[in-house]
Amino acid sequence: DTAVSQTPKYLVTQMGNDKSIKCEQNLGHDTMYWYKQDSKKFLKIMFSYNNKELIINETVPNRFSPKSPDKAHLNLHINSLELGDSAVYFCASSLQVMWGNTIYFGEGSWLTVV
Amino acid sequence: AQTVTQSQPEMSVQEAETVTLSCTYDTSESDYYLFWYKQPPSRQMILVIRQEAYKQQNATENRFSVNFQKAAKSFSLKISDSQLGDAAMYFCAYRSDPSNFGNEKLTFGTGTRLTIIP
Repeated sequence: DTAVSQTPKYLVTQMGNDKSIKCEQNLGHDTMYWYKQDSKKFLKIMFSYNNKELIINETVPNRFSPKSPDKAHLNLHINSLELGDSAVYFCASSLQVMWGNTIYFGEGSWLTVV
Repeated sequence: AQTVTQSQPEMSVQEAETVTLSCTYDTSESDYYLFWYKQPPSRQMILVIRQEAYKQQNATENRFSVNFQKAAKSFSLKISDSQLGDAAMYFCAYRSDPSNFGNEKLTFGTGTRLTIIP
């Protein structure tokens, strides 16, 4: 059973299109995240949600809009895709309230904008 | 804001030997967590080991151990008896005190690419 699953794993799309990446976790966690890994492998947080509420929004363009229908899902919608959006996007989850709670990552979604 | 520095972009080690990856961080917090994640070519992020700042004892997980020096803000990863499957990018990461609600994110270093020489 995959703990944090993302779909699609690979996505190639043209500039200007709108696309979504879905994420689901079956760990019973209350906090979910989106991280972006650029071409230089640098990993940076984009958003975090706790129980469907936006907690962290790290200077991300408005074209990126996360949506959390429930605490097990956090989807990422991207409007008007640009070449610079090409990256690997990782969904992750954790328990917020406990000490020592580890953040678990999905397998990543490779987005290529052409 | 916290920062994490990995000064070794690339390292290599002979199979069965020991290698140490370095990581330093900057923070004004007294309670926090440190992690090492491994990212093989598949790009999946795999937790290797974690350390609670309030614990003096260094964490160990089988062949993986850390040298945590809180005063020096240093958190190195030692891999003993290196195996071919250890080849990957290794990321050091910092996480704030979980009671600091709203700041549960991981801050990553830039990574160290580890090559295992057969």
